[in-house]
Amino acid sequence: EVQLVESGGGLVQPGRSLRLSCAASGFTFDDYAMHWVRQAPGKGLEWVSGISWNSGSIGYADSVKGRFTISRDNAKNSLYLQMNSLRAEDTALYYCAKDIRVGYSSGWYFDLWGRGTLVTVSS
Amino acid sequence: EIVLTQSPATLSLSPGERATLSCRASQSVSSYLAWYQQKPGQAPRLLIYDASNRATGIPARFSGSGSGTDFTLTISSLEPEDFAVYYCQQRSNWQYTFGQGTKLEIK
Repeated sequence: EVQLVESGGGLVQPGRSLRLSCAASGFTFDDYAMHWVRQAPGKGLEWVSGISWNSGSIGYADSVKGRFTISRDNAKNSLYLQMNSLRAEDTALYYCAKDIRVGYSSGWYFDLWGRGTLVTVSS
Repeated sequence: EIVLTQSPATLSLSPGERATLSCRASQSVSSYLAWYQQKPGQAPRLLIYDASNRATGIPARFSGSGSGTDFTLTISSLEPEDFAVYYCQQRSNWQYTFGQGTKLEIK
């Protein structure tokens, strides 16, 4: 089955760290760029970060640049998001998403999504 | 940053009617625009990419048009399962933005 499964969310205090994981299955993971997209409760979608198929190209939203680090392990079909210096405004459901196109150095659109993992930043 | 503005914020229609949703970009995005549907408690689903290409498995009643700064998602005849929130999204080199969404509700 083609799917993405996120894990690692939870309740964390402001200023602390959290690492999210995304396990991919059912497709050739190392062919595609991958992304993290978040959605604050009751709000719209916000792209957070993306990584090319070979980790050679990476991008971040300005809101997380310098605090979050995306990475991937193609041998394990896994995507990660290391989140440091967390703030209340980082509270959201974090989705892992697959890019639609094969082998590009930058991303395009998101054609497969996980169900998300909830991150709550609060004291 | 390219800002996408969707209109209307809420659209109230009945099943069988035609829905027209708009997305305007603050600067040209060429044809690099996608549309997503999101139902409560679910992840978004890609409907349209490159402004007018239907994603895999998307019914033909969904169509997209436009280029540059003005884009439209049209649902030709609404089915009960089409009532949801719709987002547009643009892509540029590692900077992606979404519109704020249009809620399509049953009248």
